[in-house]
Amino acid sequence: QSVLTQPPSVSGAPGQRVTISCTGSSSNIGAGYDVYWYQQLPGTAPKLLIYAISNRPSGVPDRFSGSKSGTSASLAITGLQAEDEADYYCQSYDSSLSGSWVFGGGTKLTVL
Amino acid sequence: EVQLVESGGGLVKPGGSLRLSCAASGFTFSNAWMSWVRQAPGKGLEWVGRINSKTDGGTTDYAAPVKGRFTISRDDSKNTLYLQMNGLKTEDTAVYYCTTDPSGIGNSPRGYWGQGTLVTVSS
Repeated sequence: QSVLTQPPSVSGAPGQRVTISCTGSSSNIGAGYDVYWYQQLPGTAPKLLIYAISNRPSGVPDRFSGSKSGTSASLAITGLQAEDEADYYCQSYDSSLSGSWVFGGGTKLTVL
Repeated sequence: EVQLVESGGGLVKPGGSLRLSCAASGFTFSNAWMSWVRQAPGKGLEWVGRINSKTDGGTTDYAAPVKGRFTISRDDSKNTLYLQMNGLKTEDTAVYYCTTDPSGIGNSPRGYWGQGTLVTVSS
């Protein structure tokens, strides 16, 4: 069981908007720790997509955005493209685990 | 260009040991907080542990499943991160990635990952 909870799968048609939720608790996201999002294309290493809740590293399209409210965070992808089909993971830190990294279980995005 | 290249993976019997290396380039390695993350076949990401920069104490933290069996170290003169794995179990089978801290602490590049190295624990 992952400390952070994500839906196993989401899907959308090209051009649509999808969101992926990441639910935590008062010892991680709710404690004010930053949230990060990673994209993992098939057969490749994860790539940082969003850092510190809502910031994009250089080169990440502005179609990707992050937000946080209370003990949950969300990743939104607008203008869905075929190349967005991948696994997405959220990550934060947890005070009950001595500041360890914690991950969500991952969400498989299918572009219909 | 930031590069992280892992090596040292392979097949090992239960109870055996293995040392992974991660060669870093393209940034000031000595300033970086580094982590190991693993991914079992067909599964999600699991944090293994972290080492801070020597400036920040060089301290280490580990996930509960590996604490007492795995040791993370670094050689800043060689720009290399290590993961010593002892008492390996079949459930340690995974691709192991080294990664820079996504927070950018120490003015290090955020969230870079190596290509990973596969560790298979089987008799």
